[in-house]
Amino acid sequence: DAGITQSPRHKVTETGTPVTLRCHQTENHRYMYWYRQDPGHGLRLIHYSYGVKDTDKGEVSDGYSVSRSKTEDFLLTLESATSSQTSVYFCAISATGYGPQHFGDGTRLSIL
Amino acid sequence: ILNVEQSPQSLHVQEGDSTNFTCSFPSSNFYALHWYRWETAKSPEALFVMTLNGDEKKKGRISATLNTKEGYSYLYIKGSQPEDSATYLCAPIYTGTASKLTFGTGTRLQVTL
Repeated sequence: DAGITQSPRHKVTETGTPVTLRCHQTENHRYMYWYRQDPGHGLRLIHYSYGVKDTDKGEVSDGYSVSRSKTEDFLLTLESATSSQTSVYFCAISATGYGPQHFGDGTRLSIL
Repeated sequence: ILNVEQSPQSLHVQEGDSTNFTCSFPSSNFYALHWYRWETAKSPEALFVMTLNGDEKKKGRISATLNTKEGYSYLYIKGSQPEDSATYLCAPIYTGTASKLTFGTGTRLQVTL
């Protein structure tokens, strides 16, 4: 299995608080992605990174920011969490931009 | 937003049945198509990456074909087993979109004894 660790695995927080999710990889892959999974929508891309300090927006980026200061870490931040951001968040990595993506175990985030 | 359609939404078959599902996607500027298997309580697992028109990939009892001109792909499972129960996702990539995958909502397969 690809070495991908997401933390935390579960989090419950209140509306308006900042939240940061971490994705850590040991594969030295260039590409990293954040998705959210919601019923009826499947997996939707939030942000992705194509190298250190190189990031771009996905389909549902509003309300989220990301940072990648090292190859192995990709952080997803909700500056002021809202209930609509309650979801399961998956990180994925890929060696090339068009090759298969390998997913982490997911983070279940509940915002009350 | 790209329209990636998968059909059927769900499928219930008996062990030993063969089955297939469809992924439809816009064909303009197509670059590659990904297929993933997603078992309940796990994370998605890559099955195939297909790029060429007429391409056929196989992994055990699972195979897939690709038609890039008309924008569809079929996934086949021969002799379904209970362990094949999962949601199968497809996701096309297009040139100029810098590796962004757009996932369909998937076909949920349940195989019973």
